[in-house]
Amino acid sequence: QKEVEQNSGPLSVPEGAIASLNCTYSDRVSQSFFWYRQYSGKSPELIMSIYSNGDKEDGRFTAQLNKASQYVSLLIRDSQPSDSATYLCAEGGSGGSNYKLTFGKGTLLTVNP
Amino acid sequence: DAGVTQSPTHLIKTRGQQVTLRCSPKSGHDTVSWYQQALGQGPQFIFQYYEEEERQRGNFPDRFSGHQFPNYSSELNVNALLLGDSALYLCASSYFITPLQPQHFGDGTRLSIL
Repeated sequence: QKEVEQNSGPLSVPEGAIASLNCTYSDRVSQSFFWYRQYSGKSPELIMSIYSNGDKEDGRFTAQLNKASQYVSLLIRDSQPSDSATYLCAEGGSGGSNYKLTFGKGTLLTVNP
Repeated sequence: DAGVTQSPTHLIKTRGQQVTLRCSPKSGHDTVSWYQQALGQGPQFIFQYYEEEERQRGNFPDRFSGHQFPNYSSELNVNALLLGDSALYLCASSYFITPLQPQHFGDGTRLSIL
């Protein structure tokens, strides 16, 4: 049974700070990892995907993957109140056939003005 | 370019009833996956359809069934509803031949069981 673990939070940061979200996964052969943002009452929205070890940057967001440690993280720089949401980490399998997403429980982030 | 669309938005049912939820995938996508998200939890995979067949199934009872139509749209059926079936039901679409690419979610159907 694949598992994805996230710090449940909540995480509270001041506006303009860096928010750091962490995730570990159990399946050593997983090749695809995703961060989704979910506002209250809404559906998950993809913000980052990462497949290789190292960092991937997109605007204020940086995803980091360490396959040896089975660890994925998301950094949000210059956090804004509009970033306040639940962030879901998901592992997408190892390819071969179309995959299912295994999600963590999510981390609630609050950015205080 | 139309994204993933789901209907209805909200639904209220009573225990023992049956419900059908509908999903149209993002234009060009051929694979539909269904997820159940209980309050305060991450989405849980129910099953996935491609070429009108169930390809993968999560740990859900047979009360949960589905169908995919030739136009790639899909239905999720739940029989003998229980209070614990109250959740947000999410549909996601993708391309079967690129399994590592992200899945795109619809807005979901919120199902409440009384």
